[in-house]
Amino acid sequence: DVVLTQTPSILSATIGQSVSISCRSSQSLLDSDGNTYLYWFLQRPGQSPQRLIYLVSNLGSGVPNRFSGSGSGTDFTLKISGVEAEDLGVYYCMQATHAPLTFGSGTKLEIK
Amino acid sequence: EVQLQESGPGLVKPSQSLSLTCSVTGYSITSNYWGWIRKFPGNKMEWMGYISYSGSTSYNPSLKSRISITRDTSKNQFFLQLNSVTTEDTATYYCARGPGPRDWGQGVMVTVSS
Repeated sequence: DVVLTQTPSILSATIGQSVSISCRSSQSLLDSDGNTYLYWFLQRPGQSPQRLIYLVSNLGSGVPNRFSGSGSGTDFTLKISGVEAEDLGVYYCMQATHAPLTFGSGTKLEIK
Repeated sequence: EVQLQESGPGLVKPSQSLSLTCSVTGYSITSNYWGWIRKFPGNKMEWMGYISYSGSTSYNPSLKSRISITRDTSKNQFFLQLNSVTTEDTATYYCARGPGPRDWGQGVMVTVSS
């Protein structure tokens, strides 16, 4: 199985601060069809996960543009440019290039 | 707007089967992929499997032969059955649309306990 290593596991930020989360894959996530099936999700307390980013860098529907995704191959990053209070929760990366689909271990964002 | 809603018992005894239903509105399950994902106590998330628009299925090998995902297209529902459950199957179970899910149900917490 593809292992996705997320760092850090806990992130403490002040309102307005910019932060980044890393997701490193044990294998390249570039598919033979030319797509890289890497996604980012946020699960707020008491809610279902929300898809923030799809295919590495595409912003999900209704997602604020302070969120951005980048990377290629095995190294990916989610950046929040100016954290807001509503951004607290657990962030996950997920890959769907290789079966079985796998998730990272999660990054908990706390607001100072 | 696509909506997914899980339903099923919140408590299952060890060695029994866990059965959940996902009811979908606003989108036909004969299009796209429809899956089950679970979140264990703590943060670990696990993709369990999906059923495709054609009815074909794909499962996480970690679940071996315990899992089955089926559907009823006339009701626009799909189902999860997990056999021979243990306490390690205690989790919140989500149904979702797509391999990198855009749409999720609200989740149902299932406890395996005698």
